[in-house]
Amino acid sequence: DAGVIQSPRHEVTEMGQEVTLRCKPISGHDYLFWYRQTMMRGLELLIYFNNNVPIDDSGMPEDRFSAKMPNASFSTLKIQPSEPRDSAVYFCASRQQDGTANYGYTFGSGTRLTVV
Amino acid sequence: RKEVEQDPGPFNVPEGATVAFNCTYSNSASQSFFWYRQDCRKEPKLLMSVYSSGNEDGRFTAQLNRASQYISLLIRDSKLSDSATYLCVVNEGTGRRALTFGSGTRLQVQP
Repeated sequence: DAGVIQSPRHEVTEMGQEVTLRCKPISGHDYLFWYRQTMMRGLELLIYFNNNVPIDDSGMPEDRFSAKMPNASFSTLKIQPSEPRDSAVYFCASRQQDGTANYGYTFGSGTRLTVV
Repeated sequence: RKEVEQDPGPFNVPEGATVAFNCTYSNSASQSFFWYRQDCRKEPKLLMSVYSSGNEDGRFTAQLNRASQYISLLIRDSKLSDSATYLCVVNEGTGRRALTFGSGTRLQVQP
């Protein structure tokens, strides 16, 4: 299995531009999570999906952020317009469904976003 | 108050030392507990789950104290390769499948 695949690995963009981050979860995993990591705030949950349906988006910072999961093998996180404070590493993670929450996640390698 | 609190460190220890990290969580309804390891500029990776009775995986021992809402990780015979940030992770309860991560404790094992 190729694991969770994220693209791009690095993104540098100018303030005001639209940024789209992509994620392909592990095949068969029913949950997909988007996290953001900064030095100041650590890993923060932005949104998660179960069977392609958004379950909890309370961590999405503001309307500039949106996420979609059109099918079981693909998700996007979009920032429009981007701001310098959005600079962070964005991780996607997936896990399989079971009756409990005892499985850990598998993370992708992350997208390092720099907004200048 | 943060939901999961850890001492950020760094912990600087010599090779072969035993080191322990602690973590507290605020939600008494939390159900699942984990330790993740994150190397510099890499993604977090699951190190081990933490069970109520305590559990061991080689040189690593994890303990959970539900009454005190406290989790620990003990590393024996530290190796240079153990140098990383260790994240305490909690699932906060039924209906919520997302994990909450502590900010991590940095470990540096020195030769």
